[in-house]
Amino acid sequence: DAKTTQPNSMESNEEEPVHLPCNHSTISGTDYIHWYRQLPSQGPEYVIHGLTSNVNNRMASLAIAEDRKSSTLILHRATLRDAAVYYCILRDSQGNNDMRFGAGTRLTVKP
Amino acid sequence: ETGVTQSPTHLIKTRGQQVTLRCSSQSGHNTVSWYQQALGQGPQFIFQYYREEENGRGNFPPRFSGLQFPNYSSELNVNALELDDSALYLCASSPSGLSANTGELFFGEGSRLTVL
Repeated sequence: DAKTTQPNSMESNEEEPVHLPCNHSTISGTDYIHWYRQLPSQGPEYVIHGLTSNVNNRMASLAIAEDRKSSTLILHRATLRDAAVYYCILRDSQGNNDMRFGAGTRLTVKP
Repeated sequence: ETGVTQSPTHLIKTRGQQVTLRCSSQSGHNTVSWYQQALGQGPQFIFQYYREEENGRGNFPPRFSGLQFPNYSSELNVNALELDDSALYLCASSPSGLSANTGELFFGEGSRLTVL
């Protein structure tokens, strides 16, 4: 199964952009790249997903490398509420509907 | 529109006992999946139900079982509890089993199980 690699932790200052990297060198052509985040004492929350093209929504942007072996989640202006664990997940559109979470990146936002 | 709700929020059991956790899916969602999240780790997929049938299972033993009801709510049952079963159990729903792989999952806040 294709796996993802993320840094264990990152820090950011409030109101500055944050770039959260994810490596997925064994990604297959049918894998979608999903990002979820988990705030303290809550269940995971969907952030964004994409296949090949960069994606934007109200929460974030997803930049996908041309070879799809890496991606970056971009929070344009970090707020204190963005402090969470961010998970990068590959989901095979042809397989079981399971999402294989890794340990994620714990983002700390400093005021 | 109500989101995914789970009950109970917290419970304590002893080794060897059985537990049932419940999940009400978001309105209009017919697919429910369950995850186990140990402290400090990411969630691990247990199984998924679509239209009342299990249609995907992770690496969990048979003492982890489930049900989905006609109203798409779901139960997770764990028999012969072990200390390592202590975890946060998360339920997630999505609108369609066929397109769920490409879409968004909606998670509840979880049921925290402690096994003594």
